[in-house]
Amino acid sequence: ETGVTQTPRHLVMGMTNKKSLKCEQHLGHNAMYWYKQSAKKPLELMFVYNFKEQTENNSVPSRFSPECPNSSHLFLHLHTLQPEDSALYLCASSQELARNTDTQYFGPGTRLTVL
Amino acid sequence: AQSVTQPDIHITVSEGASLELRCNYSYGATPYLFWYVQSPGQGLQLLLKYFSGDTLVQGIKGFEAEFKRSQSSFNLRKPSVHWSDAAEYFCAAASNTGKLIFGQGTTLQVKP
Repeated sequence: ETGVTQTPRHLVMGMTNKKSLKCEQHLGHNAMYWYKQSAKKPLELMFVYNFKEQTENNSVPSRFSPECPNSSHLFLHLHTLQPEDSALYLCASSQELARNTDTQYFGPGTRLTVL
Repeated sequence: AQSVTQPDIHITVSEGASLELRCNYSYGATPYLFWYVQSPGQGLQLLLKYFSGDTLVQGIKGFEAEFKRSQSSFNLRKPSVHWSDAAEYFCAAASNTGKLIFGQGTTLQVKP
């Protein structure tokens, strides 16, 4: 799905590093999401933004810090991560939150490895 | 609480055989249901969705799914599987706030 792009596609970082994941959607949507996908686990919703306002923080540790400067861009700032944070991080967007008929469109994900 | 269950973690079928992937949901009101597919190293792609109306919905790549309220199920089917269908399949339900609740996923392997 080329409507949602994510960079980088792969990231290896040490526990003391600071890095950021970027997501951009070209679909004119107003809601954006961060998910974590770990092996053998269901997708975990991390954060939700609707019209640039954070509407959900699903008990995510503070070492993950989201930022949504506008409706098209979403960042996930990472610092002092743990090895168990290694996972595929997926970004998604939809027309609006609170419209449960809206389809969420996903980016290809960033494969994060924390050493 | 709303939940989605995919009972089969892993399924193997021969190329050309029919396929059915199971999905059960738990939700009090009318559910909005989705099937997504994830190829290795890729994000999730929507296959089909059900909101209301005809309980048999058609999707992309020759997939279909049938909503059965009496069984709380939304099983995905394909009459003849191709090797390129090997992937992970996720069933999801939308809450009334628009958030998706995903099942654990089913990995499909296709034998030549």
